[in-house]
Amino acid sequence: DIRMTQSPSTLSASVGDRVTITCRASQTVSRWLAWYQQKPGKAPKLLIYKASTLESGVPSRFSGSGSGTEFTLTISSLQPDDFATYYCQQYNSYGTFGQGTKVEVK
Amino acid sequence: EMQLLESGGGLVQPGGSLRLSCAASGFTFKTYTMNWVRQAPGKGLEWVSAIGTSGSTTYYVDSVKGRFTISRDNSKSMLYLEMSGLRVEDTAVFYCAKGAVGSYVYDAFDLWGQGTMVTVSS
Repeated sequence: DIRMTQSPSTLSASVGDRVTITCRASQTVSRWLAWYQQKPGKAPKLLIYKASTLESGVPSRFSGSGSGTEFTLTISSLQPDDFATYYCQQYNSYGTFGQGTKVEVK
Repeated sequence: EMQLLESGGGLVQPGGSLRLSCAASGFTFKTYTMNWVRQAPGKGLEWVSAIGTSGSTTYYVDSVKGRFTISRDNSKSMLYLEMSGLRVEDTAVFYCAKGAVGSYVYDAFDLWGQGTMVTVSS
């Protein structure tokens, strides 16, 4: 089974900060990697798929990169609406999620 | 507007059974792989099961194999999850989720329902 590890688990940041979240896979997943945003009490929302493709309607301040086993999600300038928990998911084999990264107010 | 609406959650005793349903609308249901994903209280997301477009191919996370059965009715645009032998550790919000591309077995999920809560407790 492929295991996904995100870091950090919690990230404290301010509006306007550049934020980077890392996701590592226990074996290669090629570019079959997605990122989701989840707010409390809500369903997850797809942000990025195939490692770097922005889902329609998602602001361009979100970007993804990486391939193989190491991936990053970057928010270029954190906005008030971006405080949430972010999950990576590999879909090379089944659909394992990372444990999540909570972006909180500094 | 594309939409997924889950139902069927509730309180059940350990060892009991429950059937979750997910009603799809606003897209051609029969052309997309569908999934169930769960989230235990205060925890992260866990993919549970997937079903191919025709319903003939199904996949499960190891922890639910032999206890859960995923199925679909393309004529009604409905997805189901039959759960038996429920355990306390199955307590979670269960989401149905649509595959983004179509018939890919493994896919990102571009549409999610609002979730239905399953509580397993005596």
